Amino acid sequence: DTGVSQDPRHKITKRGQNVTFRCDPISEHNRLYWYRQTLGQGPEFLTYFQNEAQLEKSRLLSDRFSAERPKGSFSTLEIQRTEQGDSAMYLCASSLVSGRAYEQYFGPGTRLTVT
Amino acid sequence: EDQVTQSPEALRLQEGESSSLNCSYTVSGLRGLFWYRQDPGKGPEFLFTLYSAGEEKEKERLKATLTKKESFLHITAPKPEDSATYLCAVQALGTDKLIFGTGTRLQVFP
Repeated sequence: DTGVSQDPRHKITKRGQNVTFRCDPISEHNRLYWYRQTLGQGPEFLTYFQNEAQLEKSRLLSDRFSAERPKGSFSTLEIQRTEQGDSAMYLCASSLVSGRAYEQYFGPGTRLTVT
Repeated sequence: EDQVTQSPEALRLQEGESSSLNCSYTVSGLRGLFWYRQDPGKGPEFLFTLYSAGEEKEKERLKATLTKKESFLHITAPKPEDSATYLCAVQALGTDKLIFGTGTRLQVFP
């Protein structure tokens, strides 16, 4: 299976702890995206990368959130000093930008629960 | 502000009963409109991209259409395995980010 993979699939943490999630995109894709989804809502954009460069960040991405894609392959999303409001599904997606095609393919997500 | 509104929020259909899901959007300049299917606890699964008004795409029992203000996802003779949440998203010119609606939760019962 060569789809987008995310690790871990589930994470339970206590308020105030730091957590880090990993995303491995489809191998030939050059763009990688992070979204957050809460129950009953559609995914909300957080940030995206073209290779190593972070091209856009949402206002939702507070100072406690940081994302990296150090070698243009996998990416990590770190949340520092977690709050209960951070509980959500964190989704990663990747795309190969070619001509008009910008389809984003999503991974299975990491479900974060902050207690 | 770019925005997507989906209706209805939930839809219950009997197997074989065709229907349509609506996605209304406002966007500064449309690069593309996307439909995804999402099963509980999983990531969205890509279905279609539509780029310009009048465009249509089909896949099995699903057909997506686009006008300048809305898109429809038509489901013909649905089966229980079509039960899922269907998400609509728009992408504006100059950005890659997708702006999603809240989805339509479809249940198809035998």
